[in-house]
Formats: sequence, structure tokens, C-alpha cells
Amino acid sequence: QVYLVQSGPEVKTPGASVKVSCKASGYTFTDHYVNWMRRAPGQGLEWMGFIGPIAGNTNYAQKFQLSVTMTRDTSTGTVYMELTRLKSDDTAVYYCARWTDSINAFDVWGQGTVVTVSA
Amino acid sequence: EIVLTQSPGTLSLSPGERATLSCRASQSMSSSQLAWYQQKPGQAPRLLIYGASTRATGTPDRFSGSGSGTDFTLTISRLEPEDFAVYYCQQYDGSSVTFGGGTKVEIK
Repeated sequence: QVYLVQSGPEVKTPGASVKVSCKASGYTFTDHYVNWMRRAPGQGLEWMGFIGPIAGNTNYAQKFQLSVTMTRDTSTGTVYMELTRLKSDDTAVYYCARWTDSINAFDVWGQGTVVTVSA
Repeated sequence: EIVLTQSPGTLSLSPGERATLSCRASQSMSSSQLAWYQQKPGQAPRLLIYGASTRATGTPDRFSGSGSGTDFTLTISRLEPEDFAVYYCQQYDGSSVTFGGGTKVEIK
């Protein structure tokens, strides 16, 4: 069975940083890019960017260019997403998802991590 | 960046009825780039359709996708109780991913 398992909920104050992990299992980690999305309360899905598993190459959505960093650890099959300078409107559920080239879609998703930013 | 606009925002229907959801792209795109997802409260999104019309593993055949160019449609032929959810279309143009704003299918 293929899984992406994310780290637990986080509560942060404005200006802080948060780092969310996403551990892959059941497939060859280096075969698939991993993307990050979020869904804020009352909003739709928003793409944040992706990381390549072999070279660690990244592509961030313009909105997050200065605030997000994605990294990976190939030895454990884990991808990380760090968001800095948090604001209250960063409160959202954050998802990692596996991209499969052959179908041009996200076919496996993590369970989501709730990040709450509040003073 | 390709902008995807979904309509309607909310669809109020009864079980057994047919649902037709629209996704319009800001510029012409390849059908191979268009996917549909279903999201229920408290759950992660689930892939339903890729390549505009191919059902993902496990997607019931009451779900069908169609369209080309700038206009794409997701159809649910007869709504089952478990189909009431939010649906998103998504595209990848080789440099960035965008999602539509979503259509909520609610029980009338």
C-alpha cells in the first residue's frame, strides 16, 4: 500500500516558522515528485510548489517564493515544507501529494496537517 | 498561468439526480493536463478523473469527465449519498499547478 504520512498539528504565533514533514512508503521514493498544497478555512485548494526527489530541485508558486522552503531526505523517504514569517492567514490544512507523470495528476495524498497561527 | 474557473459555486441536488460541473480554463490546454478531485469534510482530496476523461482506480462509473480546449465537465449520472462533497479541477502546464475554486455539491 502506498502512503504519505504527515506530521501532527501545529500552533504557532505570528512571525514564527513551521516545518511539516511527509513520509512516503510503499513506493520508490525517487520515482515521484512531491507537491505541497493548502486549504485555508472557507477557501479552495492552493498549490505551493514541488520538490524533485533525486536532485532536490524545487519550483515554488510565486506567492510563496520568499516564505517557503521544501527539502527532502532520500535516506528516509521524507519531504519537508518549512513556512516562515507566519501570518494569521497562513492558518490552513497543509497537504503533501505525490505527482505521477504518466497520468499528470496527484494520485496519493497525505492526511493533512493543521497549522494554526494565532497570537 | 492558466486560471481555472469552476461553476456553479454550489449545486443543490437530491440523491438520484444528475450533477453537471463545469471547469473553464483561461487559455486552451491539452486534455491530458486536466484532472478532477473530490474532497469530503475532514478528508484529503481524492483523485477521480485524469486526462480529462479517464477514471482513476476505484472511481465509480457514474462519474465521467469530458471536454477539450478551454471547457471541461465532470458529470455524476445519479448522485449517491456519498457523492455530496466539494469537487476541484486542476491543471499543470509544465511550470505551475492551478486549481479551480471548487464546486460544492450539497443535498437539496
